[in-house]
Amino acid sequence: QKEVEQNSGPLSVPEGAIASLNCTYSDRGSQSFFWYRQYSGKSPELIMFIYSNGDKEDGRFTAQLNKASQYVSLLIRDSQPSDSATYLCAVKYNQGGKLIFGQGTELSVKP
Amino acid sequence: AAGVIQSPRHLIKEKRETATLKCYPIPRHDTVYWYQQGPGQDPQFLISFYEKMQSDKGSIPDRFSAQQFSDYHSELNMSSLELGDSALYFCASSLGPRGYNEQFFGPGTRLTVL
Repeated sequence: QKEVEQNSGPLSVPEGAIASLNCTYSDRGSQSFFWYRQYSGKSPELIMFIYSNGDKEDGRFTAQLNKASQYVSLLIRDSQPSDSATYLCAVKYNQGGKLIFGQGTELSVKP
Repeated sequence: AAGVIQSPRHLIKEKRETATLKCYPIPRHDTVYWYQQGPGQDPQFLISFYEKMQSDKGSIPDRFSAQQFSDYHSELNMSSLELGDSALYFCASSLGPRGYNEQFFGPGTRLTVL
């Protein structure tokens, strides 16, 4: 079992809808949680990070963290076709700071 | 804003050759991470450096070595290349290695081993 699990998708939503991406992790020692967007052949682009339980909002994006359930999610409001990409969930440990990635969820936003 | 710079962007090598990948972190960033991403895979952590010292090591083959220099740039040296080394290699940087520090990725080097 991977340390970080995501639904691989593809997740298809219509333009203007809310896209919900989910991620679970196995190590309770995980310190912080990151969401990256990656277009095919390109590098991961940081969207948001969260380290406290609850919600964190930034524009159309909201990250949610529940450490008791070892669950982190990303909501994208008013989804646009340009949001179509693979979304990578990553957890980071304080020691060394390396990121452990999930396998990514492919999101497709249909016009 | 300045980003992470990687060179070269594309590299083609033959089996058993060597390759050197370079990474220039965001100014003032003192921590560098190397990741390998195979086709259809998620990025896998290879190695990291903080203040020119190795800070963590992941699934990096013994054929690979890396270092961080006094100007904080880093180089990943790959020897005896194998077909399976063909992948995207990303460098990322952060201001310190602690868990709450954001990590930004460079554009990557696409290595093809023939």
